Amino acid sequence: AQSVTQLDSHVSVSEGTPVLLRCNYSSSYSPSLFWYVQHPNKGLQLLLKYTSAATLVKGINGFEAEFKKSETSFHLTKPSAHMSDAAEYFCVVSPMDTGRRALTFGSGTRLQVQP
Amino acid sequence: DAGVIQSPRHEVTEMGQEVTLRCKPISGHNSLFWYRQTMMRGLELLIYFNNNVPIDDSGMPEDRFSAKMPNASFSTLKIQPSEPRDSAVYFCASSLESGPLTYEQYFGPGTRLTVT
Repeated sequence: AQSVTQLDSHVSVSEGTPVLLRCNYSSSYSPSLFWYVQHPNKGLQLLLKYTSAATLVKGINGFEAEFKKSETSFHLTKPSAHMSDAAEYFCVVSPMDTGRRALTFGSGTRLQVQP
Repeated sequence: DAGVIQSPRHEVTEMGQEVTLRCKPISGHNSLFWYRQTMMRGLELLIYFNNNVPIDDSGMPEDRFSAKMPNASFSTLKIQPSEPRDSAVYFCASSLESGPLTYEQYFGPGTRLTVT
């Protein structure tokens, strides 16, 4: 079984300040982990992915995430928020070993960026 | 690359009517997924296909829902008869699967369905 918990439903930051979106996962198998972003009335766009290579993963638009197995975490960070980062962010887990392809989505974190 | 294409983008229908949602995956991808997104339940996987064969339909809510993938470039999700509680955004996603690894899924823009 697998699950993912996004610890904050809403995060508000000021433009130019760091962003931290928290995610904890549970998986019976070695997981693949993803972060997706969804802008209002848009589809989901892949930000970055972890698939057992480097534990620090860099994505698009300056985002990165660090896989910490001991903490079962995969937090998303960005050094400096931009107004265009305002969106909903989903942490996603998928097992690597079972052959199932289904993704399990977190409940989402809505990021607000204040001017 | 055009990405995943879904049609229609918006659908408004009356309760009891048949609704058909369409999806064209990215060329060369061999897996296709249908998701439903609502405020109450978030994103839910309804069904996924691999090489045009349904692999997991455990998320299909009831017999009113059916999905087909007649070829590698087209899939439909049908609701018959539709009910107001089916109102949601329906996403189609595709990926290229190979062996035991999980590859990222690419999502379409979604179809916003409203059943009155």
